Amino acid sequence: SQQGEEDPQALSIQEGENATMNCSYKTSINNLQWYRQNSGRGLVHLILIRSNEREKHSGRLRVTLDTSKKSSSLLITASRAADTASYFCATDDGSWGKLQFGAGTQVVVTP
Amino acid sequence: DGGITQSPKYLFRKEGQNVTLSCEQNLNHDAMYWYRQDPGQGLRLIYYSQIVNDFQKGDIAEGYSVSREKKESFPLTVTSAQKNPTAFYLCASSMSGHQPQHFGDGTRLSIL
Repeated sequence: SQQGEEDPQALSIQEGENATMNCSYKTSINNLQWYRQNSGRGLVHLILIRSNEREKHSGRLRVTLDTSKKSSSLLITASRAADTASYFCATDDGSWGKLQFGAGTQVVVTP
Repeated sequence: DGGITQSPKYLFRKEGQNVTLSCEQNLNHDAMYWYRQDPGQGLRLIYYSQIVNDFQKGDIAEGYSVSREKKESFPLTVTSAQKNPTAFYLCASSMSGHQPQHFGDGTRLSIL
């Protein structure tokens, strides 16, 4: 079963603009992770945010977590064509190793 | 360079045939995972292994089998009992069950 649900399903922006995508989940979590997948490739881990954290930054990425609303957002600032990919949230509910992935947000950044 | 290697990149299966997908990691990770990805969907967990000689069923284990005889290797067999095997299969590993997972570049399996 998929716990995380990303919104929007697809996003098209121009280089230099910011991209924001959201993830909602149903049950309590230990942590929430964001991954990127380029077409035809494996996933790459971006950021892990724990349930007691509210915001985390990594380079041009900013992740927020609101456990009261069971939601998270990923912001990519000053996007580049190389950011074109699908972005997935995955929730860790404390069950060993069992991440629940959403269906992803497909982001296209045009030059 | 450390990483996860999946092979082959593309695989074709005939009706009634079992096929085995290879996954090797040199990251010295204890945990390994197999996922299935269908178009436009997220990943679904097939099997996972916390340690050598131990593995557990995930959410969609029916029609699949695995072994974990070595720390570095976690092969997945898609058996003839899996009636809809066409998908993109991803292998991953992590230091432990609550750490970020590192992924291979996948094997795309199709039916002939």
